[in-house]
Amino acid sequence: AAGVIQSPRHLIKEKRETATLKCYPIPRHDTVYWYQQGPGQDPQFLISFYEKMQSDKGSIPDRFSAQQFSDYHSELNMSSLELGDSALYFCASSVVGGNTQYFGPGTRLTVL
Amino acid sequence: QKEVEQDPGPLSVPEGAIVSLNCTYSNSAFQYFMWYRQYSRKGPELLMYTYSSGNKEDGRFTAQVDKSSKYISLFIRDSQPSDSATYLCAIRTRAGGTSYGKLTFGQGTILTVHP
Repeated sequence: AAGVIQSPRHLIKEKRETATLKCYPIPRHDTVYWYQQGPGQDPQFLISFYEKMQSDKGSIPDRFSAQQFSDYHSELNMSSLELGDSALYFCASSVVGGNTQYFGPGTRLTVL
Repeated sequence: QKEVEQDPGPLSVPEGAIVSLNCTYSNSAFQYFMWYRQYSRKGPELLMYTYSSGNKEDGRFTAQVDKSSKYISLFIRDSQPSDSATYLCAIRTRAGGTSYGKLTFGQGTILTVHP
């Protein structure tokens, strides 16, 4: 069965650079969630989208923005990167109101 | 205080043991309960999902929810070395209004099953 696809899988950036992470949800899933997982931490909710509209917002820094496109894929844009942004970034998808979220393999971002 | 508390372990058991993993939560609005398994450097994999108090069984796994005590458990029977991973409980409110179902996770319990 098709799963959530994330790209790139690994990304290395310098401080103050920008990064763009992409997420392709499971076919027919219309809701996308972004989570950040620091080393040894549990995933923390950042932001979610339903039908291309932002549906919920968590602890996402103002330096980050995201959007969902007409094909339901989503992009997380991160600017002015800081060392503390180094983490695993997961995307999850579900159908609207669905009770389960399916996670992608994650993008490992390292900020040097 | 975190909304969802989970003993981080680590937990080390011999192969074949019964494993008990637990979480407590504080928000009565939480209505849906999930257990995810996460291998190192991988995405969380959904193991169990339930929304009502009681037990739900799937193979060697049993999820238990006690809403009155705000306590959830995952039991693994006949544990195998391949079960070695981090187990995360995840809880959400009912989707609707301003919430579209974001998950709130516990800290995760690191489990090692040794042969």
